[in-house]
Amino acid sequence: DVKVTQSSRYLVKRTGEKVFLECVQDMDHENMFWYRQDPGLGLRLIYFSYDVKMKEKGDIPEGYSVSREKKERFSLILESASTNQTSMYLCASSLRNNMNTEAFFGQGTRLTVV
Amino acid sequence: AQKITQTQPGMFVQEKEAVTLDCTYDTSDQSYGLFWYKQPSSGEMIFLIYQGSYDEQNATEGRYSLNFQKARKSANLVISASQLGDSAMYFCAMRGNAGNNRKLIWGLGTSLAVNP
Repeated sequence: DVKVTQSSRYLVKRTGEKVFLECVQDMDHENMFWYRQDPGLGLRLIYFSYDVKMKEKGDIPEGYSVSREKKERFSLILESASTNQTSMYLCASSLRNNMNTEAFFGQGTRLTVV
Repeated sequence: AQKITQTQPGMFVQEKEAVTLDCTYDTSDQSYGLFWYKQPSSGEMIFLIYQGSYDEQNATEGRYSLNFQKARKSANLVISASQLGDSAMYFCAMRGNAGNNRKLIWGLGTSLAVNP
């Protein structure tokens, strides 16, 4: 089975802190994604990566950056956390990036910025 | 632009009965894939079922089936013999086959409650 693991289930950080959310997948998938999920807004794509050291902006990249130094690991960075970044963050991976390939998700990180 | 619409914010069903969760979509792609995911209160998104736009038969996975009506652009999820563990959020998603449309596009979800 594909396993996508996010480093934390719950995280509380202070405003202005630099926050790292880590995601690791164990199935050699090429594609990895970071979403945030908010009530009434659904899942919104922050960044995605098709290969090591490659990244592309999603729909809401402002205030975030990402790093993919190794194929299995995709990190989301909040450069200076703000209260409006309090949310559920979901990492996903997929083998390919075509129409018939499902994405597999981690368990999610509930981030609270105070 | 691609779009997924789930018109039912919440649904209730009695245990052991069947339930249909609605999903309509809009896309300019000729080829695309449709997905359903389940999200329990624990938070993890679980892949349930896939339907390709060129598949002639409706997809089936255990108690899940997808009622695909291409002309109506609908891809409804049918859960047969509901169980208490089916209580969760359900999301419909779509993926095209070219360029920017390869990103997964999501609906806002339907909250399903299964009553004993």
